[in-house]
Amino acid sequence: GAVVSQHPSWVICKSGTSVKIECRSLDFQATTMFWYRQFPKQSLMLMATSNEGSKATYEQGVEKDKFLINHASLTLSTLTVTSAHPEDSSFYICSAPRSGIAYEQYFGPGTRLTVT
Amino acid sequence: GQQVMQIPQYQHVQEGEDFTTYCNSSTTLSNIQWYKQRPGGHPVFLIQLVKSGEVKKQKRLTFQFGEAKKNSSLHITATQTTDVGTYFCAGRYNFNKFYFGSGTKLNVKP
Repeated sequence: GAVVSQHPSWVICKSGTSVKIECRSLDFQATTMFWYRQFPKQSLMLMATSNEGSKATYEQGVEKDKFLINHASLTLSTLTVTSAHPEDSSFYICSAPRSGIAYEQYFGPGTRLTVT
Repeated sequence: GQQVMQIPQYQHVQEGEDFTTYCNSSTTLSNIQWYKQRPGGHPVFLIQLVKSGEVKKQKRLTFQFGEAKKNSSLHITATQTTDVGTYFCAGRYNFNKFYFGSGTKLNVKP
């Protein structure tokens, strides 16, 4: 099946610093990628839709200046958490839908962010 | 934002018993997908339902999409320990983005 990678798999940073998370579709092109946030034992909350060649669209309540998204190519989207705070600590997971009959989403393994 | 409600939150069953999780939306869905997430893992696509009243089967798993396209269910017959995990529905309203239900965590006792 299709593979989506994320890097890093975990990161610890200090308050006030910025962290960049990469999401790559390894064996297919993705004009759209999604970024989710998942709290422990909770569901995935859609944060934003990353669009190759255009601006990302953010869900209501998600600060676009805090969570910067760049879809640099058909296989790479990045999420930068700017001026991170402890409340930003979470599991961030991306997905890349594969065009076709099912439009199924292939999820990356996720990035565990801990802000101290 | 859009919301997809999912119940129950947890389900503990004895191996061999059946299991069902339900999803409900207040507005009509374009389609719905189901995912399984094992502990420590990421969601894995199971199936997509598109048509009103659609029923699909995958071995012991039966997926249904309501006539009004506002609800869906996943039923597992004769659960096995390998079925352990959290099952999520993800509803699509328009465009190409999905909103996940809260998930049902299934625990199967051998």
